Amino acid sequence: DIQMTQSPSSVSASVGDRVTITCRASQGISNWLAWYQQKPGKAPKLLIYGASSLQSGVPSRFSGSGSGTDFTLTISSLQPEDFATYYCQQANSSPSFGGGTKVEIK
Amino acid sequence: QITLKESGPTLVKPTQTLTLTCTFSGFSLSSSGVGVGWIRQPPGEALEWLALIYWDDAKRYSPSLKSRLTITRDTSKNQVVLTMTNMDPVDTATYYCARRYTNNWDAFDIWGQGTMVTVSS
Repeated sequence: DIQMTQSPSSVSASVGDRVTITCRASQGISNWLAWYQQKPGKAPKLLIYGASSLQSGVPSRFSGSGSGTDFTLTISSLQPEDFATYYCQQANSSPSFGGGTKVEIK
Repeated sequence: QITLKESGPTLVKPTQTLTLTCTFSGFSLSSSGVGVGWIRQPPGEALEWLALIYWDDAKRYSPSLKSRLTITRDTSKNQVVLTMTNMDPVDTATYYCARRYTNNWDAFDIWGQGTMVTVSS
């Protein structure tokens, strides 16, 4: 099984801040990495697929990078609607998710 | 418009079998590259993938739950059914179904709203 480790588990930030979340796979997964945003009581929403491709309709302040085992999700300028929990997911083999990163208001 | 919706019991007793149905519209599970998966989330915890079924009827299961899960499809009804045997209180969670599409590097691009299942006697 491929394990996905996210860090940090939570981050406090202010509107306008640049926020970076990292995800590490226990073995190489090429670019088979997706990022999701989840708000309380709602289903996850796909933000990034293929490690760096922006899903249609997702604001350009979200970006993804990385390949192999180390990946990053960056929010360039945090907006009020971005306070949520973010999950990475590897799609290389049997899917698995990271533990999540909660982005909270500072 | 692509939609998925989960349905099933909200309460099951320990040792019982859970049967959940995902009814979808706006795409065909017979189209190459399309899959439907089940993912669950216990209250306050992270997402956990459970099972997948593909356009060619190939199936994949979470290694840790494989012995308890069965996923099937009814392409005429646009439905995917997940059964989980021997339910336990630790299986209390919101259960989601989602579309997986190879054009999106196999990401889950569209999700249902989820259905909460409580396991309790």
